[in-house]
Amino acid sequence: DTGVSQNPRHKITKRGQNVTFRCDPISEHNRLYWYRQTLGQGPEFLTYFQNEAQLEKSRLLSDRFSAERPKGSFSTLEIQRTEQGDSAMYLCASIRSGGAYEQYFGPGTRLTVT
Amino acid sequence: AQSVTQLDSQVPVFEEAPVELRCNYSSSVSVYLFWYVQYPNQGLQLLLKYLSGSTLVKGINGFEAEFNKSQTSFHLRKPSVHISDTAEYFCAVSPGGGADGLTFGKGTHLIIQP
Repeated sequence: DTGVSQNPRHKITKRGQNVTFRCDPISEHNRLYWYRQTLGQGPEFLTYFQNEAQLEKSRLLSDRFSAERPKGSFSTLEIQRTEQGDSAMYLCASIRSGGAYEQYFGPGTRLTVT
Repeated sequence: AQSVTQLDSQVPVFEEAPVELRCNYSSSVSVYLFWYVQYPNQGLQLLLKYLSGSTLVKGINGFEAEFNKSQTSFHLRKPSVHISDTAEYFCAVSPGGGADGLTFGKGTHLIIQP
C-alpha cells in the first residue's frame, strides 16, 4: 500500500497525559499537512510542512501541540497535558510539490481523552 | 481568509434519483475548489477539483460540479445515485497558490434510500 498511513488508528488516554501520533506520507510527497476533525464538523487545518520546514501553523495549534518532520519524511504530532476538548480525529495529508494540488489523506487517528 | 458553507447537513434521496449537494464559499482572493468524500471509518478521498478553465468539472464515480464565480458556488451533482454513494461529502477551498491548508465546510451527509 503506497498511501498515507497513520498510527495508531485509535488512542484512548486520560486527561493530563501526553500523546504522540505518527504520519507516514506518500514517499515522493514533500508537503505534509495535519488537520483535526471533531464530530459533525469538517476537518480544520492545524499545520503544514514542506520537507522538514514547518511553514504555517493555525491559531488552533495551542502551545500544548507540537509537530515535527525530521529529515522531511514521516511526521509526528504531540499533544501535551491532554484535555477532553482534544478528543477528535487527527488527519494527515500529503501532496507532491508542483503537483495537481490534490491532498491525499490518511485514515486518521481517533483520540479519546477520558 | 476563506470560508465554506454547505447549506444542507443531511440530504436523503432515493436510489437512482438525481442529487445536488450545495456549497458556497467566501474569499477575498481567487481560490481552488474541491469536493471530498468520506466513507465510514475511512480517510477523505478526492472526488473532483476546480483549478481553472472550464467551469464544469467531472470527477470520479459519476459526480460533477459547476463553478459559478458570480454566485461563489461550487455545487456537486450526480444524475443517478447508488446505495454505495452513502457517505459524508465535504466541500473545501484553498487560496490560488494551492500550497496552503484547505478550509472545509461542515459536510453533507448523503443518505440513499432504497
